[in-house]
Amino acid sequence: DAGITQSPRYKITETGRQVTLMCHQTWSHSYMFWYRQDLGHGLRLIYYSAAADITDKGEVSDGYVVSRSKTENFPLTLESATRSQTSVYFCASRGSLSYGYTFGSGTRLTVV
Amino acid sequence: TQLLEQSPQFLSIQEGENLTVYCNSSSVFSSLQWYRQEPGEGPVLLVTVVTGGEVKKLKRLTFQFGDARKDSSLHITAAQPGDTGLYLCAGAGGFNKFYFGSGTKLNVKP
Repeated sequence: DAGITQSPRYKITETGRQVTLMCHQTWSHSYMFWYRQDLGHGLRLIYYSAAADITDKGEVSDGYVVSRSKTENFPLTLESATRSQTSVYFCASRGSLSYGYTFGSGTRLTVV
Repeated sequence: TQLLEQSPQFLSIQEGENLTVYCNSSSVFSSLQWYRQEPGEGPVLLVTVVTGGEVKKLKRLTFQFGDARKDSSLHITAAQPGDTGLYLCAGAGGFNKFYFGSGTKLNVKP
């Protein structure tokens, strides 16, 4: 079934560890995004990508890195996890300026 | 800084009642979208409004974009328990980015 898939759904990691969240889409959408969702803050943009090998920072990018070597994959890495990065992370894609985002089901990350 | 303010934050109503949710900003947006999010899932797009003053209807949901393209409203007629969820508005910023409001959590009681 086509769509946008995030993995893992749940992750617990320790402070200081590196962790990578995966995102895969099957539509060949050009644009992909990573958001985090926290109570009281709504969805905040971490990174976005307009195409393979083209990425740029969003409003809360500190402590995160991304790569996009293939159009369909957009992994998000926390270089050294901190408790403040405990959140629900959503990946989204968008194929055209005329359409909204399609979101994955999210990854709930807990940093202990 | 929250570019988009949504009100109310929480709303609990009985089935059959009408309600309106607001999304306000001091910024002008080229387009605005509304999403609904259910627990444990990602937001799902409901509608995109582009033209100032535009009104779109989706069954019992009516969406309006303000004339100045700074605000929007979502009106639900005869709410049903299936309408329960978090409603998010998102305004188009530069370079294909959308800025989200913090949401209105709606609970419709049977």
